[in-house]
Amino acid sequence: TQLLEQSPQFLSIQEGENLTVYCNSSSVFSSLQWYRQEPGEGPVLLVTVVTGGEVKKLKRLTFQFGDARKDSSLHITAAQTGDTGLYLCAGALFGSNTGKLIFGQGTTLQVKP
Amino acid sequence: NAGVTQTPKFQVLKTGQSMTLQCAQDMNHNSMYWYRQDPGMGLRLIYYSASEGTTDKGEVPNGYNVSRLNKREFSLRLESAAPSQTSVYFCASSVFGSRTGEAFFGQGTRLTVV
Repeated sequence: TQLLEQSPQFLSIQEGENLTVYCNSSSVFSSLQWYRQEPGEGPVLLVTVVTGGEVKKLKRLTFQFGDARKDSSLHITAAQTGDTGLYLCAGALFGSNTGKLIFGQGTTLQVKP
Repeated sequence: NAGVTQTPKFQVLKTGQSMTLQCAQDMNHNSMYWYRQDPGMGLRLIYYSASEGTTDKGEVPNGYNVSRLNKREFSLRLESAAPSQTSVYFCASSVFGSRTGEAFFGQGTRLTVV
């Protein structure tokens, strides 16, 4: 059973379209992060959200942490071909101070020109 | 600034062979981690070291051992490789006790066991 359920797992869209990726759990997280991974590289941190209800924007990317700190979403506006990649959500479990992260399965995004 | 460095980047092993994956970080982080990445599974934690001198099992520790050599280095050993261990392995580091748990990753080691 996956502690963090990420959906969808695959997404293929045209350039200019909008999309949302979801990350859901029954567990409470002290923080939730979104990473992006390019082929042949390790994941790179995009953003961290720590407060329930928090919304962060990074250019065309909007990240939201659920009020109960059990879920998060990533919304991309007017997707570009450069957004293509693997997007991973990861959470630090509430009450843990080891820094261990629980990862979702990942969403492979393909943006076609 | 190198960040997290993993060696080797690619490796092919025969079933039953052993090998050690090396990882070093230069960010003065206390905590280090080994993950494996398989298609559709995200990243799964194999072992972690919250601080120098301590190691703990993660989600999928069977078939692996680790050594925290010093604050900078954390190695992962496969004693008798099996085809099920074919995967991409990532080392990561973070600040111990950080509520946010932000992790910095190496470039990965692509291991094939035949």
